[in-house]
Amino acid sequence: AQKVTQAQTEISVVEKEDVTLDCVYETRDTTYYLFWYKQPPSGELVFLIRRNSFDEQNEISGRYSWNFQKSTSSFNFTITASQVVDSAVYFCALSEAPSGGSNYKLTFGKGTLLTVNP
Amino acid sequence: DGGITQSPKYLFRKEGQNVTLSCEQNLNHDAMYWYRQDPGQGLRLIYYSQIVNDFQKGDIAEGYSVSREKKESFPLTVTSAQKNPTAFYLCASRPHKPRGGYTFGSGTRLTVV
Repeated sequence: AQKVTQAQTEISVVEKEDVTLDCVYETRDTTYYLFWYKQPPSGELVFLIRRNSFDEQNEISGRYSWNFQKSTSSFNFTITASQVVDSAVYFCALSEAPSGGSNYKLTFGKGTLLTVNP
Repeated sequence: DGGITQSPKYLFRKEGQNVTLSCEQNLNHDAMYWYRQDPGQGLRLIYYSQIVNDFQKGDIAEGYSVSREKKESFPLTVTSAQKNPTAFYLCASRPHKPRGGYTFGSGTRLTVV
């Protein structure tokens, strides 16, 4: 069974601080995908990044960066110089790719509520 | 622009009533999903469909039903058998391979009154 743990329920920072959101996952599959989504107060989930299990390169996109480490089953997300508009709930998710099938259903962590104060 | 449309945005249901949540996509995606979100919880899978006229139960299917008569549409019915239906419901779709991740609708907030 697959599982995603986001141990930080809520984080509060002051604008311009850097913040890291933790994500730890469990899976028995060797091929899988990891995702991060942002959920602003409007409710819609906004896709941020997808990473497959064979690509351990870290990625940077503007103020966002992701650190994928298979050795510790972690896929952490860092926001540099946070802004008030970054305030949202952030979800980490895992999708296995079972052999012979194409299910790709997502398993979500419980989310981390990030509040960036001015 | 392509996307997923969920309606209504807010829905109120009396106890004992069935209600249907609409989900329509114009992305030509094969698979569609329904998730339920409760406060402080992650999203939990209710039902999913990979092709027309076929669907599978997710982790919390009891009290819900779906249909997939068209590729574009995947309505969710919350039946009276669902004892605690108040929640935020999100519909999602994806192409055959999740190259760019799933696309989500803006959600329907269902409240039992």
